[in-house]
Amino acid sequence: DGGITQSPKYLFRKEGQNVTLSCEQNLNHDAMYWYRQDPGQGLRLIYYSQIVNDFQKGDIAEGYSVSREKKESFPLTVTSAQKNPTAFYLCATGEEGAHNEQFFGPGTRLTVL
Amino acid sequence: AQKVTQAQTEISVVEKEDVTLDCVYETRDTTYYLFWYKQPPSGELVFLIRRNSFDEQNEISGRYSWNFQKSTSSFNFTITASQVVDSAVYFCALSGLLIGSGNTGKLIFGQGTTLQVKP
Repeated sequence: DGGITQSPKYLFRKEGQNVTLSCEQNLNHDAMYWYRQDPGQGLRLIYYSQIVNDFQKGDIAEGYSVSREKKESFPLTVTSAQKNPTAFYLCATGEEGAHNEQFFGPGTRLTVL
Repeated sequence: AQKVTQAQTEISVVEKEDVTLDCVYETRDTTYYLFWYKQPPSGELVFLIRRNSFDEQNEISGRYSWNFQKSTSSFNFTITASQVVDSAVYFCALSGLLIGSGNTGKLIFGQGTTLQVKP
């Protein structure tokens, strides 16, 4: 099946712990994106990558880190420096270019205990 | 500033009613793109439509229609004869050459409108 896989679906973290959210795609898209969704605030861009071994900060990158070692994979690490990490995290992919739509994964819901 | 505003936080209608979701945008780009996405309770966003700034023709797809008016910077979405399965959060989004660095496809989302269709 073609698509975007995010794992895990639900994640619980204790304060002070780093956690890594997985995003894998087999759509052969160059661009990948991480968004955070909070109630009533829409989606906000955390990081994006247009090509392997390169990525750019989005609007709310503080407390997060990413890597892009393979075209298919774009993991997001939520570090202990992120003050309020409880949120719904969505990964997206697309062909490069402002005119192209993005395709979204099913999301990971992170809860800090 | 580049911004998308969806002023309607929640809308509740009864099945078979028509409903319009409003979207107003701000951008300095002369070339830009507008999108609508649907987020059902499962959480995954589903792409519905894309419009570029040079194409102001309205579009109809089944029960869905979109009205793009550059003069008022609006890109409204109408569902005709709504159904319970239309219940979801709907997002309007904006992309443009100035929004990201170069032509990155960075999207700016509105806050979303939650549509509840009651049987």
